[in-house]
Amino acid sequence: RKEVEQDPGPFNVPEGATVAFNCTYSNSASQSFFWYRQDCRKEPKLLMSVYSSGNEDGRFTAQLNRASQYISLLIRDSKLSDSATYLCVVKDSNYQLIWGAGTKLIIKP
Amino acid sequence: DAGVIQSPRHEVTEMGQEVTLRCKPISGHNSLFWYRQTMMRGLELLIYFNNNVPIDDSGMPEDRFSAKMPNASFSTLKIQPSEPRDSAVYFCASRRLDTDTQYFGPGTRLTVL
Repeated sequence: RKEVEQDPGPFNVPEGATVAFNCTYSNSASQSFFWYRQDCRKEPKLLMSVYSSGNEDGRFTAQLNRASQYISLLIRDSKLSDSATYLCVVKDSNYQLIWGAGTKLIIKP
Repeated sequence: DAGVIQSPRHEVTEMGQEVTLRCKPISGHNSLFWYRQTMMRGLELLIYFNNNVPIDDSGMPEDRFSAKMPNASFSTLKIQPSEPRDSAVYFCASRRLDTDTQYFGPGTRLTVL
């Protein structure tokens, strides 16, 4: 089993819709969690950190479920510009960042 | 502010040739990472440095790969000899040791024929 698992997608979603995807992690001692965004043929960039209480940044909401060992990302009112690959990242107990393979999101007009 | 700088942006070489990838981290960042990304394997950490010292090179595929960081503003990743299976995008990233956020360079797209 991979340490960090994501549904690779692609998720094909109409513009304006709400989309959510999860990421599961295997190490219960993992400390910190992040979502990165990677546009086609570009480098990954931090989208948001994920806090225990959940956090929101505009149309984006991230949540953490430690009991079930997953984090989620919710995008409301999706825009064409949200099309990208979303990478789940987990900092493990050895302070190493473990990267998921990414979920590809395609927003269609 | 300048971000992480990588060169070259694209490299096409023939099998057996030596390849050197270069990275200049963000000024003030004291941790540097080399990653490789392919469709099949996703983003893989190859090696990382703290304060110019290699900390973990367990991701380096084999002896053909080597990395150096002679000073705080420069690092190289060398492949000698290169093989077609080394074809990938190689990213360099940096961060401050007191934060988790990594800032990536634009990557070097390597093709080994």
